Amino acid sequence: DAKTTQPTSMDCAEGRAANLPCNHSTISGNEYVYWYRQIHSQGPQYIIHGLKNNETNEMASLIITEDRKSSTLILPHATLRDTAVYYCIVSLVNNAGNMLTFGGGTRLMVKP
Amino acid sequence: DAGITQSPRHKVTETGTPVTLRCHQTENHRYMYWYRQDPGHGLRLIHYSYGVKDTDKGEVSDGYSVSRSKTEDFLLTLESATSSQTSVYFCAISAVHPGQGGSPLHFGNGTRLTVT
Repeated sequence: DAKTTQPTSMDCAEGRAANLPCNHSTISGNEYVYWYRQIHSQGPQYIIHGLKNNETNEMASLIITEDRKSSTLILPHATLRDTAVYYCIVSLVNNAGNMLTFGGGTRLMVKP
Repeated sequence: DAGITQSPRHKVTETGTPVTLRCHQTENHRYMYWYRQDPGHGLRLIHYSYGVKDTDKGEVSDGYSVSRSKTEDFLLTLESATSSQTSVYFCAISAVHPGQGGSPLHFGNGTRLTVT
């Protein structure tokens, strides 16, 4: 099963880009990278996902390295409301077909 | 945001009483899931459903049962609540099986359950 490694916490200044890294060196060729975030006391919110190519939507951009062993979620202009825990997940099921759990994630603090 | 409504949002109950949590979706998605979230454990899957009357166990299913009689509703029942089931419960939905890739889950806003 592909596992991910994320920094425990990060700070970002309001209005600046927030770049959240994720390592997934054991990713398989057909496994997607998903990013979610969770704001205190709310449900996890889907942000973006990708397989090989970089992706962009209204919330963020996802940059996946060519070897697919790591990725970066970019929030181009962070606001205070982006303060949350960000989860990087590779594949949503493991080889046994069981749903993967969400790990610890990165706690992003956007500061004025 | 995906149309997912969980009810109730908050519930306090006593040990040994039955409790049912409801998840209602308006997206007509086939797959529905129940997770619990506890400090230090992340999100753990309790049960999931892959269609009306089709359900399967997740990682932490003991003490829980589910039912899905309609596409839009997925019920989670604690037959006899225990203090260890105090948690925040999240419902999620997806259009296709997440193992197919490229199919994100969308979550509701949770039910905070306290068992005293």
